Amino acid sequence: SQTIHQWPATLVQPVGSPLSLECTVEGTSNPNLYWYRQAAGRGLQLLFYSVGIGQISSEVPQNLSASRPQDRQFILSSKKLLLSDSGFYLCAWRGLGTGANVLTFGAGSRLTVL
Amino acid sequence: AQSVTQLGSHVSVSEGALVLLRCNYSSSVPPYLFWYVQYPNQGLQLLLKYTSAATLVKGINGFEAEFKKSETSFHLTKPSAHMSDAAEYFCAVEDTGNQFYFGTGTSLTVIP
Repeated sequence: SQTIHQWPATLVQPVGSPLSLECTVEGTSNPNLYWYRQAAGRGLQLLFYSVGIGQISSEVPQNLSASRPQDRQFILSSKKLLLSDSGFYLCAWRGLGTGANVLTFGAGSRLTVL
Repeated sequence: AQSVTQLGSHVSVSEGALVLLRCNYSSSVPPYLFWYVQYPNQGLQLLLKYTSAATLVKGINGFEAEFKKSETSFHLTKPSAHMSDAAEYFCAVEDTGNQFYFGTGTSLTVIP
């Protein structure tokens, strides 16, 4: 069966520090991968999505970046965090075939920027 | 781009009462539609999905939703609310470009 892992679960970082959130998927090949951000009291904002290794599409201009160095690995990064980067970050994957058209989410990473 | 509107950011119901969470989408082509539930500090879990089969979709935990093309709606219902239903609910639509768009969510409170 397919599983998705996200880490770290909780992170407290000072303004201006770097960020790296990692997401891996098991039990599937060539998934579409997504990074969403959920700010307090707000909905989900799509940040990045990827349809393959090295293929990243950005939905919102920001100081965040994403990379997909391996088929089932998706990394969200920042060189210098802003206060406004605080939020709940969710990784998700979408596969083909059985269960297609369904986004499956990780448990999330809560980032607090101080 | 698609858009999803969830009417009512907060809904309160009494335990045992009907739950109705509203969702409207903008699309000229019937899309794929979903409802997800999120418990505090957790990821989103799929409740149900509509993929152009039956217009009345049954999901987990007794929830169901009806696709109404004429109203561009996909409202979520449950006949009798339980305390465990208290959570955030998100409606989502997938467009033909494999992109998912989410509503801003509805927080459901169940009053004992």
